Amino acid sequence: EVQLVESGGGLVKPGGSLRLSCAASGFIFSSYSMNWVRQTPGKGLEWISSISSGTTHIYYRDSVKGRFTISRDNAKNSLYLQMNSLRAEDTAVYYCVRDFLLLDLWGQGTPVTVSS
Amino acid sequence: EIVLTQSPATLSLSPGERATLSCRASQSVGTYLAWYQQKPGQAPRLLIYDASNRAAGIPARFSGSGSGTDFTLTISSLEPEDFAVYYCLQRNNWPPLTFGGGTKVEIK
Repeated sequence: EVQLVESGGGLVKPGGSLRLSCAASGFIFSSYSMNWVRQTPGKGLEWISSISSGTTHIYYRDSVKGRFTISRDNAKNSLYLQMNSLRAEDTAVYYCVRDFLLLDLWGQGTPVTVSS
Repeated sequence: EIVLTQSPATLSLSPGERATLSCRASQSVGTYLAWYQQKPGQAPRLLIYDASNRAAGIPARFSGSGSGTDFTLTISSLEPEDFAVYYCLQRNNWPPLTFGGGTKVEIK
């Protein structure tokens, strides 16, 4: 089955860190660019970061630059998002999404809550 | 950053009726616009890409049109499973990729 499964979300205090993971299956992971997108009730859907298939190209939205790091391990069919210096406004459901030209396959999401 | 404005915020219709959803961009995005459907508790699902191309497995009652700054998603005859929130996304000028605020299609 073609799918993406996120993990690693949870409750963290402001200033803390979390590492999200996304396990891909059912397709050739190494052939696809990947993204992280988050969703909040207030701000809706918000693109966070993208990484090309071979990691040559990496992009971030301004509000997470210097705090978040996207990475991937093609041998393990996995995508990661290291989140440091977390803020209350980073509270959201985080989705792993395939292909930055189509965003055609989404995981089920993992919730992140930043609160003291 | 390109801003996408969706209207209306909520559309109240009955099954069998035609739904017309709008997405307007703050500057031209060519035809690099996609539409997604999201049901409660689920992730978004790609419906339409590059303004008018249906994604794999999407029923023919869904169609997209437009170019430049004005786009439309049309559902020709609403089925019960079509009541959901719909988002548009532009990929013409990025980063950042940007989404619209969504249109909720609810049962009247």
